[in-house]
Amino acid sequence: GENVEQHPSTLSVQEGDSAVIKCTYSDSASNYFPWYKQELGKGPQLIIDIRSNVGEKKDQRIAVTLNKTAKHFSLHITETQPEDSAVYFCAASPPFTGTASKLTFGTGTRLQVTL
Amino acid sequence: GAVVSQHPSWVICKSGTSVKIECRSLDFQATTMFWYRQFPKQSLMLMATSNEGSKATYEQGVEKDKFLINHASLTLSTLTVTSAHPEDSSFYICSARVNLYEQYFGPGTRLTVT
Repeated sequence: GENVEQHPSTLSVQEGDSAVIKCTYSDSASNYFPWYKQELGKGPQLIIDIRSNVGEKKDQRIAVTLNKTAKHFSLHITETQPEDSAVYFCAASPPFTGTASKLTFGTGTRLQVTL
Repeated sequence: GAVVSQHPSWVICKSGTSVKIECRSLDFQATTMFWYRQFPKQSLMLMATSNEGSKATYEQGVEKDKFLINHASLTLSTLTVTSAHPEDSSFYICSARVNLYEQYFGPGTRLTVT
């Protein structure tokens, strides 16, 4: 089955700096890669996703890049703000095959943005 | 984005009793919903896939007789923890699939078994 590794486990940056979180996956058939933000005591929130037919996607201060050959993808947050502090999870999913498709999550990165 | 609700947000029950958690998709229909369990400072662990009108598919190691899942309509899935024990205390989160890929999560339910 799919295995997703995520680094770093914790990340502290100063407000205004950039943050980068990296994930690698094992199943070359995976073709959907979402990123979720989870605040304390809440459910994960989908913040951005990318499919394997593109190499980069951007949404304001957030971007995701995908390298299919190397089987890794990254989340980039620019101009970080204190409200970006949360746990971020990457995930990978194989192509849709009816009801069998499911997400495999990374272990999470705790991002702290300091003033 | 799509909105998923859960009820209750937290529940305390006594050991040996059962508790039901509801997951609703508020502004879309979901033929597939998922139930996850999350321990403190850990990742999400998929428990089962809930399909409308059919039996749920459980992940390896998850007791289907203990965690009963019902997906009776396109907007509602329920998880019932039967004969709960303290080790069942956890954060339970559901998600609903909007299209072929995107999943939106509920706010979670914190279960404490005393």
